[in-house]
Amino acid sequence: EIVLTQSPATLSLSPGERATLSCRASQSVSSYLTWYQQKPGQGPRLLIYDTSTRAPGIPARFSGSGSGTDFTLTISSLEPEDFAVYYCQQRNTWPRTFGQGTKVEIK
Amino acid sequence: EVQLLESGGGLVQPGGSLRLSCAASGFTFSGSAMSWVRQAPGRGLEWVSTISTGGVNTFYADSVKGRFTISRDNSKNTVDLQMNSLRVEDTAVYYCAKGGHNSWFDSWGQGTLVPVSS
Repeated sequence: EIVLTQSPATLSLSPGERATLSCRASQSVSSYLTWYQQKPGQGPRLLIYDTSTRAPGIPARFSGSGSGTDFTLTISSLEPEDFAVYYCQQRNTWPRTFGQGTKVEIK
Repeated sequence: EVQLLESGGGLVQPGGSLRLSCAASGFTFSGSAMSWVRQAPGRGLEWVSTISTGGVNTFYADSVKGRFTISRDNSKNTVDLQMNSLRVEDTAVYYCAKGGHNSWFDSWGQGTLVPVSS
């Protein structure tokens, strides 16, 4: 099973600041890395798939990069609605696995 | 607009059974794999099961293999999760998600809560 480790666990930032979230895989997932956003009481929302492709309707301030085992989600300038929990997930092998999440909170 | 509506959750005793259902609309259901993902209270996301478009291929997390069964009815646009021999550690919100076989989970429902407790 591929283990995904996200860091940091919590990111405390102010609106307008840049957020950089990391996801590291225990073995290569090629480019098959996805990012989701989840707000309290809601189901997750697809943000980025296959490392760097934004899902329809996702603002350009969200970007993804990386390959193999190291991936990054960047939010260039935080908007109030971006404070949430972010998960990475791999679809390279079964079982599908998720990272433990990074909470982006208001500083 | 894609809509996924889960139902069937509720309190169940350890060792009991429950059947979750997900009603889908807004897309070509028969052309999409479907999945279940769960989230224990205060915890992260855990993939549970995926079924291919025609229902021939099914995949399960080791934690539920042999106890849970995923199925779909392409005539009714529904995907079900039959859960048997439930354990306290199965307590979670269960989400229905579109995709997951050879793709990402591109749409999610609001979830249904399954508490397993005596």
